[in-house]
Amino acid sequence: EPEVTQTPSHQVTQMGQEVILRCVPISNHLYFYWYRQILGQKVEFLVSFYNNEISEKSEIFDDQFSVERPDGSNFTLKIRSTKLEDSAMYFCASSAGTGTGELFFGEGSRLTVL
Amino acid sequence: GNSVTQMEGPVTLSEEAFLTINCTYTATGYPSLFWYVQYPGEGLQLLLKATKADDKGSNKGFEATYRKETTSFHLEKGSVQVSDSAVYFCALSPSTGFQKLVFGTGTRLLVSP
Repeated sequence: EPEVTQTPSHQVTQMGQEVILRCVPISNHLYFYWYRQILGQKVEFLVSFYNNEISEKSEIFDDQFSVERPDGSNFTLKIRSTKLEDSAMYFCASSAGTGTGELFFGEGSRLTVL
Repeated sequence: GNSVTQMEGPVTLSEEAFLTINCTYTATGYPSLFWYVQYPGEGLQLLLKATKADDKGSNKGFEATYRKETTSFHLEKGSVQVSDSAVYFCALSPSTGFQKLVFGTGTRLLVSP
């Protein structure tokens, strides 16, 4: 069964360092998303991406964050200068369309900022 | 704004017990409602959904009914199994918005033999 894959599963980094989290969405999907969950808190929407551009972003998604689809398969989230409060589980998701509400999520990438 | 509140966990049950996980929401317009499940080591998976008032979503023995009058979408299962142990997330998709799901905090369910 097709699935969304994410790498790395866990990354530890020093504050101020750049981090890139990678995702391979399901191949025929057109819409891509990043969500995050800080430990003990809600899963929060960060950004959605369609047709090679951001379609919606939350207030969390500030200038430190960027997303890119550098080739036909990968979808990346970059954090330019990590802060302690960026420590969270980051989930990538994809969907075939906007009508069904069914997003397919990856297993998540745990980011720990020291 | 839009928000989802679900019961704190963990919920600990014996096999074959009845399960209820409460979920209430606040939203403008007519959101769609979802339950996602995350099994250990896996991503979130859609369990069931309901797109309008009084709709009942069901899957794998789980059910939830979209109750607009009480703004609720409680998850129920008549007889849980050990394999149902997971984290369950209630979520809504606003009536406008680009698949921007709003999640609850998640409720961990632990089922013992």
